[in-house]
Amino acid sequence: GQQLNQSPQSMFIQEGEDVSMNCTSSSIFNTWLWYKQDPGEGPVLLIALYKAGELTSNGRLTAQFGITRKDSFLNISASIPSDVGIYFCAGHKYGGSQGNLIFGKGTKLSVKP
Amino acid sequence: EPEVTQTPSHQVTQMGQEVILRCVPISNHLYFYWYRQILGQKVEFLVSFYNNEISEKSEIFDDQFSVERPDGSNFTLKIRSTKLEDSAMYFCASSEARQGDYGYTFGSGTRLTVV
Repeated sequence: GQQLNQSPQSMFIQEGEDVSMNCTSSSIFNTWLWYKQDPGEGPVLLIALYKAGELTSNGRLTAQFGITRKDSFLNISASIPSDVGIYFCAGHKYGGSQGNLIFGKGTKLSVKP
Repeated sequence: EPEVTQTPSHQVTQMGQEVILRCVPISNHLYFYWYRQILGQKVEFLVSFYNNEISEKSEIFDDQFSVERPDGSNFTLKIRSTKLEDSAMYFCASSEARQGDYGYTFGSGTRLTVV
């Protein structure tokens, strides 16, 4: 099936550090979404990107839709303990259906106070 | 903030039994979805539902699965004869319009354990 390659798989950082994670695909995507999942909870939408080259911020979070439409990154600045969780990229493949949101395997973020 | 509500939060069932997972989507949303997440793995699409019919389903969504909107507020996922490999978190989601426009709102999930 369609793969979204998300990296890194996990990160251990010190509070206050900046974080960067990314997703790549061999296929073109129409949208890129970044979700955060806390233990025992459903994914919560952080940022949605709809146009190639788009750069969007949400507080300390910044994400970009790559100009090739095959990648996206998420940056978190000045991390805090509550940033701990699993971050998923997700997207709709160009030419794909509206129903099928494809997820990456997630980046598990741990923050040491 | 409007929420997608799922019940139960955890269900344990014996292999071969039928289970029904329940969801109450956000009231003005028109598109409904079920996803599942096997422990430690990525979230996978099962089915999308619009205008009282399935609009798309994945390979995972075989004849053992069915969905229904029995009334104006509930959206259910039924697994007719559960297998051990059906053990997973099942997430319901809804969106106001096509998901490409707005993204989803997910519920907190139902953890299904098949023993």
